[in-house]
Formats: sequence, C-alpha cells, structure tokens
Amino acid sequence: DTGVSQNPRHKITKRGQNVTFRCDPISEHNRLYWYRQTLGQGPEFLTYFQNEAQLEKSRLLSDRFSAERPKGSFSTLEIQRTEQGDSAMYLCASITGTGGQGPNNEQFFGPGTRLTVL
Amino acid sequence: AQSVSQHNHHVILSEAASLELGCNYSYGGTVNLFWYVQYPGQHLQLLLKYFSGDPLVKGIKGFEAEFIKSKFSFNLRKPSVQWSDTAEYFCAVNARNAGNMLTFGGGTRLMVKP
Repeated sequence: DTGVSQNPRHKITKRGQNVTFRCDPISEHNRLYWYRQTLGQGPEFLTYFQNEAQLEKSRLLSDRFSAERPKGSFSTLEIQRTEQGDSAMYLCASITGTGGQGPNNEQFFGPGTRLTVL
Repeated sequence: AQSVSQHNHHVILSEAASLELGCNYSYGGTVNLFWYVQYPGQHLQLLLKYFSGDPLVKGIKGFEAEFIKSKFSFNLRKPSVQWSDTAEYFCAVNARNAGNMLTFGGGTRLMVKP
C-alpha cells in the first residue's frame, strides 16, 4: 500500500497521559498536514509541514500539542497531559509540490488515529 | 479566513433518486473547491475538485459539481444514486497560494435505501 499510513489506528488513554501519533506520507510528497475531526463535524486544520519546516499552526493547536517532521519524511503529533476534549480522530494528509493551483493541489488522507481520553 | 457550510446534515434517498448536496463558502479571495467522500470504515477520498475553467466539473462514480461564483456555491449532484453511495460527504475549500490548508464543511451523511 503506497498511500498515507497512520499509527496507531486507535488509542485509548487516561486523562493526563501523553500520547504520540505517527504519520507516514506518500513517499514523494513534501507537504504534510494534520487535521482533527470530532464526531459529527468536518476535519479541522491543525498544522502543516513543507519538508521538515513547520509553516503554519492553527489556533486549535494549544501548547500541549507539538508536531515534528525531523527528516522531512514521517511526522509525529504529540499531545501532552491529555484532556477529555482531545478525544477525536486525528487525520494526516500529504501533497506533492508546493501547492498553489493545479493538479498537485490534492490532499491524500490517511485512515486516521482515533483517540479516546477517559 | 474561509468558512464552509453544508445545508443538509442527513439525507435519505431511495435508489435511483437524484441527489443534490448544497455547499456554500465564505471567502473574499480566489479559492479551490473540493468534495471528499468517506465511506463507512474508510478514509477520506477525493470525489472531484475545481481549480479554474469550466465551472461544471465531473468526478468519479458519476458525481458532478457546479461552481457558481456569484452564489459562492459548489453543489454536488448525481442523477441516480446507488446503495453504494451511502457515505458522508464533505465540501472543502482552500485559498490559492496560502498553504493549501483545507477548510471543511460539517459534512452530509447520505443514506441510500435499496
């Protein structure tokens, strides 16, 4: 499978614990995006990388959230001191090129990591 | 900032009925427009997209959408739905040359009765 992969697919944790998710984009894609989707809502943008540089962060990304893409390939999203409100599906997407208009502007999504905070 | 609204949260149709899902966006600049579909248990997949040119775009599985700039709309249509179209549909936009972050609508859950 050469699509976007995410691990783990499900994570159950207790409030206050730290969790880390991993995203492996399509290999030639240099832009990587993280979104969060809560029940009954559409995905909401969190942050994105171009290669290893984190170029933008949403206001949704509190100080407890940190994302990295150290070698410009896979990315990790860490949530510290989880809260029940963090329960959601965390989606990763990737894209080739530098965006703009045109056929390269299509984000490919992974299956997501479903986080449940008890 | 952009915003997207989808008017119907739940739609139930019988097979062979026609489908139209509404999508309106709010943004002062030029946008790219997308419809994504999420089948039960699967990840988001692109149905179709509009960047420029002919405002009527055709996507996979017989879907099409029309961009009406004056109405800030990008409604999704299909003349005859099938049971296999049961899924959740998301309209999304991104602003050109601004990082390509997608702004999604709240989604429409479509159920097609056999």
